[in-house]
Amino acid sequence: AQSVSQHNHHVILSEAASLELGCNYSYGGTVNLFWYVQYPGQHLQLLLKYFSGDPLVKGIKGFEAEFIKSKFSFNLRKPSVQWSDTAEYFCAVYLNRDDKIIFGKGTRLHILP
Amino acid sequence: EPEVTQTPSHQVTQMGQEVILRCVPISNHLYFYWYRQILGQKVEFLVSFYNNEISEKSEIFDDQFSVERPDGSNFTLKIRSTKLEDSAMYFCASTGGGETQYFGPGTRLLVL
Repeated sequence: AQSVSQHNHHVILSEAASLELGCNYSYGGTVNLFWYVQYPGQHLQLLLKYFSGDPLVKGIKGFEAEFIKSKFSFNLRKPSVQWSDTAEYFCAVYLNRDDKIIFGKGTRLHILP
Repeated sequence: EPEVTQTPSHQVTQMGQEVILRCVPISNHLYFYWYRQILGQKVEFLVSFYNNEISEKSEIFDDQFSVERPDGSNFTLKIRSTKLEDSAMYFCASTGGGETQYFGPGTRLLVL
C-alpha cells in the first residue's frame, strides 16, 4: 500500500540552527512530491514541489528539498531557521494514477527564540 | 491571489444530524478534493471530483458522505448522519489540472 513516512514527529531547534526533516514514500509509480506547511491556526500552504528535472528544488522562505529516487526520499532542509518557521510540516505524494495526495503524519517544528 | 474558501470555519452538531460543508474552489479550477484531519493525526484523502462526478474515493468515504457541485462555484461535502468519529478538520482543495492542489482554510467539525 502507498504510504508516506515522516521520521520526526516533533523537532525543537534554536534560531539559526540548520533543519532537515526526513520523508520517505512507498510507491513504485510516477509521483509528484510536495512539502506543505501549516502555521498555527492557518491552512495548508504549499512550500515546494518536485515534478521532474533537477532533484534539488527550492521553495519559499529559504526552504529546499532533495528528491533521491533510489532512496524514495524527499527531505526538507533549511540552513538557518527562524522563530517564524514554527509550524507543522507535511510531506505529501501525489499519485498520478489515482489522482489523490497521500500525506505523511506531519512534523511539528518548534523554534526557540 | 485567488484562494479556496470554506464555510463555516467551525461547526458544532449533534450526533445523527446532517451537516453540509461548503467550499468555493479557485474559479478556473476543474478538479476538486476533500480531505480530513482528525486532531493529532495526518491529513487523509476523502474524495476527488471532476466533470460532475466522483473520480476517486477512499474507504473513509462511505454511504454517509456525498459531494455535489450545485452551481458553478460551490463544492459541498454532506455528511448524512454524523458520528462522533467524524469530528475533524475538513479541507477542500482544487487544482486546474496540474498536480498542485490549493487548500482552503478548513472547517472544524465537532460532533457531540
